[in-house]
Amino acid sequence: ILNVEQSPQSLHVQEGDSTNFTCSFPSSNFYALHWYRWETAKSPEALFVMTLNGDEKKKGRISATLNTKEGYSYLYIKGSQPEDSATYLCASFKIYNQGGKLIFGQGTELSVKP
Amino acid sequence: ETGVTQSPTHLIKTRGQQVTLRCSSQSGHNTVSWYQQALGQGPQFIFQYYREEENGRGNFPPRFSGLQFPNYSSELNVNALELDDSALYLCASSLEAGASTEAFFGQGTRLTVV
Repeated sequence: ILNVEQSPQSLHVQEGDSTNFTCSFPSSNFYALHWYRWETAKSPEALFVMTLNGDEKKKGRISATLNTKEGYSYLYIKGSQPEDSATYLCASFKIYNQGGKLIFGQGTELSVKP
Repeated sequence: ETGVTQSPTHLIKTRGQQVTLRCSSQSGHNTVSWYQQALGQGPQFIFQYYREEENGRGNFPPRFSGLQFPNYSSELNVNALELDDSALYLCASSLEAGASTEAFFGQGTRLTVV
């Protein structure tokens, strides 16, 4: 994997369904993996910043896991609600010059129908 | 709310013109990064400023330039606008430039070049 890739590109689920999506990233020179949630007409908001292999983070009904050796992270939403409808972005942090940059995937667009 | 504001929200410019986009970071955030998001893609890193100095630059031509000011505001300037510069421009501020530091995004400026 040379770039950050997310799948699926879009997902349509019914209220109450549980769902998950994938972020794949280069496993070499790994520093951190960021997940963002981006609702329409709002700012992207950070969900999780993950750094350790095997790490699992949870915020309410949303959780994420990280496998740095194989270069993937899963985001899970339990019991989806209409307010979960948003684009979910993941980004791998890469050291760059004296700082660093986030390399983003193209996002997974989630639509939850009542 | 992330506490990061961008202005203007929308802008239409003619090819060849120059544009300045503005970002107001959270107080105390020494790092600001700018990203370009073209339609259907994830945000792409343009450059980063740390304590008013450019700290890293992505694959964008020199006609993309920036400034960061002591009052936690910053600017993205684009000269000689091209049609392909039409995109959403996001700024993101953070306390430091580290891998596990959470970035706080603005809502973006939608630039259309005609």
